Amino acid sequence: DAGVTQSPTHLIKTRGQHVTLRCSPISGHKSVSWYQQVLGQGPQFIFQYYEKEERGRGNFPDRFSARQFPNYSSELNVNALLLGDSALYLCASSLGVMNTEAFFGQGTRLTVV
Amino acid sequence: DQQVKQNSPSLSVQEGRISILNCDYTNSMFDYFLWYKKYPAEGPTFLISISSIKDKNEDGRFTVFLNKSAKHLSLHIVPSQPGDSAVYFCAASADTNAGKSTFGDGTTLTVKP
Repeated sequence: DAGVTQSPTHLIKTRGQHVTLRCSPISGHKSVSWYQQVLGQGPQFIFQYYEKEERGRGNFPDRFSARQFPNYSSELNVNALLLGDSALYLCASSLGVMNTEAFFGQGTRLTVV
Repeated sequence: DQQVKQNSPSLSVQEGRISILNCDYTNSMFDYFLWYKKYPAEGPTFLISISSIKDKNEDGRFTVFLNKSAKHLSLHIVPSQPGDSAVYFCAASADTNAGKSTFGDGTTLTVKP
């Protein structure tokens, strides 16, 4: 069975540009969460989506947005990129919003120059 | 203010001995706690978890202890093996929602042969 897949694996963008990151959850999982992991720190929660609705948002500016599609895949969009947005972006999927396990993808390494 | 803290950035133990990784939290709303293991260039992998209604959970070589009054949990690995060398993250969530977790900054465990 395929795990959580994220694309692309690496990305280099210029300050001010926009980026879209993609995530496909494990088959049957209806919840997708996004995290940002800056070097030397733990993952920080950005968004959770369940059944195409936002179910939680972390302390991130409005430049960050996300959506979930009918097939439960998800996109994370970041506008007006800053150098500080350089990080590993992780997607996690779970069956629902009251589940005891979340499964992570390998992440997308975003570098803003 | 960091709600989940792992105060030891690194830990080194000898193969066969016990590894003890510690984690403290401040938010009384957290009711579910998880430990993840992360290798370089991979996403975090779920290791073991514990609900706030328990004080101990065991899975093979891994045991997690929860002290709610002290808002402290620990992960014990016995016996430690070189393959256990990785970064370990403590995470906490409310409403048993593993997809919306607050992570500590991790402890790098090195198990020496």
